[in-house]
Amino acid sequence: GAGVSQSPRYKVAKRGQDVALRCDPISGHVSLFWYQQALGQGPEFLTYFQNEAQLDKSGLPSDRFFAERPEGSVSTLKIQRTQQEDSAVYLCASSLEGRGLIRIYEQYFGPGTRLTVT
Amino acid sequence: ILNVEQSPQSLHVQEGDSTNFTCSFPSSNFYALHWYRWETAKSPEALFVMTLNGDEKKKGRISATLNTKEGYSYLYIKGSQPEDSATYLCAFLIQGAQKLVFGQGTRLTINP
Repeated sequence: GAGVSQSPRYKVAKRGQDVALRCDPISGHVSLFWYQQALGQGPEFLTYFQNEAQLDKSGLPSDRFFAERPEGSVSTLKIQRTQQEDSAVYLCASSLEGRGLIRIYEQYFGPGTRLTVT
Repeated sequence: ILNVEQSPQSLHVQEGDSTNFTCSFPSSNFYALHWYRWETAKSPEALFVMTLNGDEKKKGRISATLNTKEGYSYLYIKGSQPEDSATYLCAFLIQGAQKLVFGQGTRLTINP
């Protein structure tokens, strides 16, 4: 079946510009995650949704970052007034449930959006 | 601050050789450990999810072990092939939280 898709795959923004990154999770997946991967580092958690509820946004680096998932499926990560330090790959992942009693559910990742702020 | 360390950061291996690398994580509040393979320009692909101390998992030529008491996991690749070239990421899931904490990855290059 279709995996997680993200768009655009590449985005170049001028410093100060607003950007919006889209994530289409796997159909039926309850949980959705956003991660940020800076060059040479592992992905770092930004925020987590269970259906439309944003249950954890502790990883968002500043109030310029905003994420939403209004109908519990597609999610958008918005970055206002982009700065050079926002340049990174933004990964979206979805999973069936946040946590199962019997097994831990894998997170399925999209290919990421590479954001370059000039 | 949770710290997940992977070593080595990069590795060059001759085709046909076997190799292994390490993921170290906090031994307290452990819930699960994930391994992912990430090829350039593709999505990270889940390899294993491990939860129990002493777990061993295998997928083809790739296997992994888990020691939650001492806080480490090993990933082994037997008879490396060029298609194994990728970055291998481990990620730690703590009790009571949903977010994965990733290591910085091991970049593996297989030389033909």
